[in-house]
Amino acid sequence: GAVVSQHPSWVICKSGTSVKIECRSLDFQATTMFWYRQFPKQSLMLMATSNEGSKATYEQGVEKDKFLINHASLTLSTLTVTSAHPEDSSFYICSARNLATRDEQYFGPGTRLTVT
Amino acid sequence: DQQVKQNSPSLSVQEGRISILNCDYTNSMFDYFLWYKKYPAEGPTFLISISSIKDKNEDGRFTVFLNKSAKHLSLHIVPSQPGDSAVYFCAASARRRFGNEKLTFGTGTRLTIIP
Repeated sequence: GAVVSQHPSWVICKSGTSVKIECRSLDFQATTMFWYRQFPKQSLMLMATSNEGSKATYEQGVEKDKFLINHASLTLSTLTVTSAHPEDSSFYICSARNLATRDEQYFGPGTRLTVT
Repeated sequence: DQQVKQNSPSLSVQEGRISILNCDYTNSMFDYFLWYKKYPAEGPTFLISISSIKDKNEDGRFTVFLNKSAKHLSLHIVPSQPGDSAVYFCAASARRRFGNEKLTFGTGTRLTIIP
């Protein structure tokens, strides 16, 4: 089956620092990757959609200069949280989809970010 | 503005019985619906989907029903098993007509199967 990995699975950082989260599709080519965040006991909220080789499309209210997304290859997308603040603490989940095969989105295991 | 709603935050069902999870949506542009299962600290796992041209889709123990006029869908799990205990999210997209891959998720229902 389709496997998506994320690294790291959890990270603690200090306010003002930047954190990079990687999302990899392990056994398929992900033409499109999505980044979500989930607050405790709430739904998954889409942050941005990225297509390989092009700029990400951000959802309304998501600061593109704060959440930098790079989708440089068909198997890797990265989300960098810049100048992190405690309110950025959340569970970040990526998903990947291969539009060529019309499969559903396959989700990574998520990354728990805690900003102190 | 919660376009996809799951009004029951939790549900407990006896093992072997039927579990019914409900989901309502407000955006009439949605034409493709999915159910995901999620364990704590893990990403959602795709379960089953349904297109708006159908009113039922079945896959093993899982059946999804869609009532377009009521903007309502439900997931039936029969028979329920202890391993089904998880949080279930419904999601919707405007994929078929508009090619919009964006998923809008509901708030989730925590299903607990009682042995």
